[in-house]
Amino acid sequence: AQSVAQPEDQVNVAEGNPLTVKCTYSVSGNPYLFWYVQYPNRGLQFLLKYITGDNLVKGSYGFEAEFNKSQTSFHLKKPSALVSDSALYFCAVRDLNYGGATNKLIFGTGTLLAVQP
Amino acid sequence: KAGVTQTPRYLIKTRGQQVTLSCSPISGHRSVSWYQQTPGQGLQFLFEYFSETQRNKGNFPGRFSGRQFSNSRSEMNVSTLELGDSALYLCASSPEDMDRADNEQFFGPGTRLTVL
Repeated sequence: AQSVAQPEDQVNVAEGNPLTVKCTYSVSGNPYLFWYVQYPNRGLQFLLKYITGDNLVKGSYGFEAEFNKSQTSFHLKKPSALVSDSALYFCAVRDLNYGGATNKLIFGTGTLLAVQP
Repeated sequence: KAGVTQTPRYLIKTRGQQVTLSCSPISGHRSVSWYQQTPGQGLQFLFEYFSETQRNKGNFPGRFSGRQFSNSRSEMNVSTLELGDSALYLCASSPEDMDRADNEQFFGPGTRLTVL
């Protein structure tokens, strides 16, 4: 079964400092990985995805993620955090049990990022 | 393009009632998925529709059902509501090309359902 894990319920970082939100995955085959962000009372917004190619993926709002196959990780990073980055972040993996014929995502439990001014 | 829209945004029902939620995908998107978000269970997949056909269904009781119309709009229905059905229900649409496993999903703002 495919899954993703976000080991931290909350990450606290000071504004201007680099941030990392961790995600590890478990899939059979090549993983299709995604990061989404959710602001209060809003739906999920797509940040970035990894399919194949470069292990460093750049996304929206200055975020990037590093894919590490040996560690089965896909950590989200940003060089300099903003207070406005405070939100709930979800890592997700495409469910490949249907031979690719589905858009179903399997989500992690989410990590609340709190950026202090 | 307009984003995914969901109506209503907020809904309050009592136990035993039924509810219908609506989702309009991004223009040109033919795939619509529904997810339930709760503090305890997180984001859980409900079902997925493509070209009016249910392609995939999550592990939810039969009280949860859905459908998709020819214009790709989708509805989900929950009958005999229970307190545990209180959640944020999110709809997501994806581009037409279903063969691409790298399709990202575009989410609507959700419908907040409260069951009293």
